[in-house]
Amino acid sequence: AQSVTQLDSHVSVSEGTPVLLRCNYSSSYSPSLFWYVQHPNKGLQLLLKYTSAATLVKGINGFEAEFKKSETSFHLTKPSAHMSDAAEYFCVVSDRYGGATNKLIFGTGTLLAVQP
Amino acid sequence: GAGVSQSPSNKVTEKGKDVELRCDPISGHTALYWYRQRLGQGLEFLIYFQGNSAPDKSGLPSDRFSAERTGESVSTLTIQRTQQEDSAVYLCASSAGHLEQFFGPGTRLTVL
Repeated sequence: AQSVTQLDSHVSVSEGTPVLLRCNYSSSYSPSLFWYVQHPNKGLQLLLKYTSAATLVKGINGFEAEFKKSETSFHLTKPSAHMSDAAEYFCVVSDRYGGATNKLIFGTGTLLAVQP
Repeated sequence: GAGVSQSPSNKVTEKGKDVELRCDPISGHTALYWYRQRLGQGLEFLIYFQGNSAPDKSGLPSDRFSAERTGESVSTLTIQRTQQEDSAVYLCASSAGHLEQFFGPGTRLTVL
């Protein structure tokens, strides 16, 4: 079965400093991986997705993630944090192999705080 | 609007009552999903509809939960005899086949 583990429940950074949100996945086959962001009182928004093409994936708002099969990781990074980045971030794997359902399996989330 | 909409945005009910939550997917999206997000947790898959195929109900937590979808349009999630542990945000998503899922704003359900 597919699963993701987000290693930090809370991350706090200063504005202008790099962001690193960590995610490890478990999958018996080549997974599809995503990062979603959820701002307070707003819906989930897709930041980026990996679907077995380039291992370095660029997303919206300057975020990137690198798929590392040897480390089973898919960490999310951004060179310089902005106040508007404060939100909850979810690492997600798609559970679709062998079946029709493309249900998403979510990590428990990382709450990112950005200090001025 | 162009996005997924859900209603109501908030629902407070008493234990034992039935509730019905509604999802309007993006027009033309054949796939529709329901998820539940409990406080401080990630989303849990509940049910999946794809066109006229039989729905995947594997995530429904009990027989008190059911969902319907009319063709490729509106879906309703019904919870019968609500319990306090049903309190959560219920999220709906739609997609064009197996592509990116677009999420609605959710319905926050509080069972007193």
